[in-house]
Amino acid sequence: GENVEQHPSTLSVQEGDSAVIKCTYSDSASNYFPWYKQELGKRPQLIIDIRSNVGEKKDQRIAVTLNKTAKHFSLHITETQPEDSAVYFCAAVGTGNMLTFGGGTRLMVKP
Amino acid sequence: KAGVTQTPRYLIKTRGQQVTLSCSPISGHRSVSWYQQTPGQGLQFLFEYFSETQRNKGNFPGRFSGRQFSNSRSEMNVSTLELGDSALYLCASSLYGPQKQGLNSGNTIYFGEGSWLTVV
Repeated sequence: GENVEQHPSTLSVQEGDSAVIKCTYSDSASNYFPWYKQELGKRPQLIIDIRSNVGEKKDQRIAVTLNKTAKHFSLHITETQPEDSAVYFCAAVGTGNMLTFGGGTRLMVKP
Repeated sequence: KAGVTQTPRYLIKTRGQQVTLSCSPISGHRSVSWYQQTPGQGLQFLFEYFSETQRNKGNFPGRFSGRQFSNSRSEMNVSTLELGDSALYLCASSLYGPQKQGLNSGNTIYFGEGSWLTVV
């Protein structure tokens, strides 16, 4: 089945810096890659997603890139703010027809 | 419109008991998936229901079961609870389910707030 690996597991940045989180997937048939942000005690919230027919998608300070050949996708957050502090999960949907999640990245933005 | 609603939010059970969790999807969504979230194992897929049929099942023992009603509301049941079942159980809803993403579909998957289960 699908396997999604996510790095780093923790990331600490200064406010205003950029943050990059990377994920790799194993199923070449995967066609949907969402990113979720989960604050402590809260639900995972979709922040951006990308489908396999595009290589990059941007929404204000957040962008996602997809490299189907290398089977990896990345989340980029620019001009980080303290409220960006949370756990971020990448996920992929492949032939298993389910969301397979990465292990999560705890992002800490220091003021 | 209302989001995905899960009840109860918090519950404590004793080993050996059984528990039923409920999920009401976003209006119009016919797919409901369940996930277990633990610090050690992360987010793991339990099962997915679409139009009252279980379409997909993760790698969990038979103690974990679920069902979906004609109004798309779903329940999951865990029997003979074990300490290791302590977790946040998340429900997710979408129009068509995870597999029907297409190239430009509005098939976003939304999560509920979850049910925190503690087994003592």
